[in-house]
Amino acid sequence: AQSVAQPEDQVNVAEGNPLTVKCTYSVSGNPYLFWYVQYPNRGLQFLLKYITGDNLVKGSYGFEAEFNKSQTSFHLKKPSALVSDSALYFCAVRERSSASKIIFGSGTRLSIRP
Amino acid sequence: DAGITQSPRHKVTETGTPVTLRCHQTENHRYMYWYRQDPGHGLRLIHYSYGVKDTDKGEVSDGYSVSRSKTEDFLLTLESATSSQTSVYFCAISAGGQGSSYEQYFGPGTRLTVT
Repeated sequence: AQSVAQPEDQVNVAEGNPLTVKCTYSVSGNPYLFWYVQYPNRGLQFLLKYITGDNLVKGSYGFEAEFNKSQTSFHLKKPSALVSDSALYFCAVRERSSASKIIFGSGTRLSIRP
Repeated sequence: DAGITQSPRHKVTETGTPVTLRCHQTENHRYMYWYRQDPGHGLRLIHYSYGVKDTDKGEVSDGYSVSRSKTEDFLLTLESATSSQTSVYFCAISAGGQGSSYEQYFGPGTRLTVT
């Protein structure tokens, strides 16, 4: 069965420092992987996706994610955090065979302190 | 949130009453989804649609029904609301099609409270 795990409920980082939000997944075959961000009282916003090819994917707002097939991970990263990056981040995975089977992780709250 | 609206944005209703939430899109996307968001659970799929009058169940469909009579509208109905259905409901759309990765775009959400 497909699943997504975000092992950290909260990540705290000082502004200007690099950040990592972790995600691991389990799916049959090659996955589609996504990161979304949610600001307070808003819907989720698409950040980036991995389909195939280069393992380092670049997305919106300076975020990037690294796909690691052997570790079944898709960690979200940013070289220098901003206070405005504080939000709830969701990892999601989809099996290539179905448009409906998109599984979201439980979310990681990222807090950037000035 | 561009291109996707949800109505109402907030609703308080009593146990046992029917409730209908509306999702409207202007993107002409084929796929539409309804999710609920609860603390500790992330997003859970309730129902989805892959075309007009074509719908299917998600992982938490009990107590919910959907209808899609037009490409742009996807309705979610709570047949007899219960307190366990107090949640934030999100509509999402995706274009789909051959070669698509099906990334989703979300509406602003509806906060539903069942008393």
